[in-house]
Amino acid sequence: RKEVEQDPGPFNVPEGATVAFNCTYSNSASQSFFWYRQDCRKEPKLLMSVYSSGNEDGRFTAQLNRASQYISLLIRDSKLSDSATYLCVVPRTWSGYSTLTFGKGTMLLVSP
Amino acid sequence: NAGVTQTPKFQVLKTGQSMTLQCAQDMNHEYMSWYRQDPGMGLRLIHYSVGAGITDQGEVPNGYNVSRSTTEDFPLRLLSAAPSQTSVYFCASSGFSGSTDTQYFGPGTRLTVL
Repeated sequence: RKEVEQDPGPFNVPEGATVAFNCTYSNSASQSFFWYRQDCRKEPKLLMSVYSSGNEDGRFTAQLNRASQYISLLIRDSKLSDSATYLCVVPRTWSGYSTLTFGKGTMLLVSP
Repeated sequence: NAGVTQTPKFQVLKTGQSMTLQCAQDMNHEYMSWYRQDPGMGLRLIHYSVGAGITDQGEVPNGYNVSRSTTEDFPLRLLSAAPSQTSVYFCASSGFSGSTDTQYFGPGTRLTVL
């Protein structure tokens, strides 16, 4: 299993739809997880952190399944402004220091 | 509070030229890192630093050097540019941990090597 694996998409959905992305990870010792959002030709920005079973922030819900080693991101009532690439991010240890591994991202396109 | 700034925004180099990508942050963050992002490859860690005077290699360090003489600045040097180094380069910083704190990214430098 790769360190972090995501379906690249694109996911094409109409406004108002509910869409879910999954991400699998290989390091069973990981404790914290993140979803970052990256708009076209822009820098990634933190969307949500996931430290236990899940986290909810408005229309966004992140779930963690440690037994199956996957994280999901659910977006309800999609807006045009949600169109972006969503990066699944997992911590790793590199040369004894903590760092992050970024997935390749899942592209979401929301249409009117 | 400017956050993380990067210069230049765009750069075109010829093969063999050297240059330095600048990165600065004004949040007093200890942890800083450089990533490159290529189509279909995601973000890959080049070098990182856990504080002034301390740097280490990431997963793709070949052809790049870094130094961290101050908390604020973390420049990335390309020693002899190659077409394979054509990419978008992002600098990031976080407070105390490279794995649990929010990473704040700069706007990126788009580098083309001819």
